[in-house]
Amino acid sequence: DAGVIQSPRHEVTEMGQEVTLRCKPISGHDYLFWYRQTMMRGLELLIYFNNNVPIDDSGMPEDRFSAKMPNASFSTLKIQPSEPRDSAVYFCASSPAWGAGTDTQYFGPGTRLTVL
Amino acid sequence: QQQVKQSPQSLIVQKGGISIINCAYENTAFDYFPWYQQFPGKGPALLIAIRPDVSEKKEGRFTISFNKSAKQFSLHIMDSQPGDSATYFCAASKNQGGKLIFGQGTELSVKP
Repeated sequence: DAGVIQSPRHEVTEMGQEVTLRCKPISGHDYLFWYRQTMMRGLELLIYFNNNVPIDDSGMPEDRFSAKMPNASFSTLKIQPSEPRDSAVYFCASSPAWGAGTDTQYFGPGTRLTVL
Repeated sequence: QQQVKQSPQSLIVQKGGISIINCAYENTAFDYFPWYQQFPGKGPALLIAIRPDVSEKKEGRFTISFNKSAKQFSLHIMDSQPGDSATYFCAASKNQGGKLIFGQGTELSVKP
C-alpha cells in the first residue's frame, strides 16, 4: 500500500487566496483525520470523519476552514481566505475501524503551507 | 481535562544512555495511550502503545511505564542511538472513538 497520500507537499500563497489541501487515505480505513502542526501549538486535531461523515469539527479554528470527504478515498481541507497565521504543516491521517485489531493512525507526509 | 501534558520539551542524551519522556493526563476516561515518533519532514508514526490494564509494555529498546493512580505514563528508550533523534509525542484517547489528544512533543537528540 502507498500509505496516506497528500498533495501538494508544499504550498506558498498570498494572503486572501483560497487554499485547497488534498488527502487520499489508506484503502479500507474508516477514519480520516486532519491535523495542523506549528511550533507554538504543537499537533492539533482539526476535524475527523468516520465513514465519510464528519464526527468532530471542534478543532476547526474558524469559518474560513472547511473540510469535505465526498467518498472513502478522498478528502479536502479548504482555507478561504487564507491568512499568514494559517502557515503550518497540515497532516492527514487515517485509521481502520476501531476494535479491528489496531488503533493506529497512519499519517501522511504533510503539506507545508506558507501564507505570505 | 482534555489535555495531555508532556515533559521535557527537549532532551539531549549520550549514545548508549537512557532517554525518559513523561506524560500526565487528567481525564480518567482515557483508555489508550500511544507514543508517536516523528522525524524531520515526515508525519508522526506509531512507536508503541499501552492500555491501562497493564503497567508496562516493552518492544525492543522501547518501554512504556504506566501509573494509573498517578495518571502518568512515560517512554523509556534504552541504549539510545543517534538514529533515535526525533520528536516524540505521547497521546491519549477514550472509548476507542478515534480522537487522539496529543502532548506538546519532546525533541530528542542523541549525541554520538
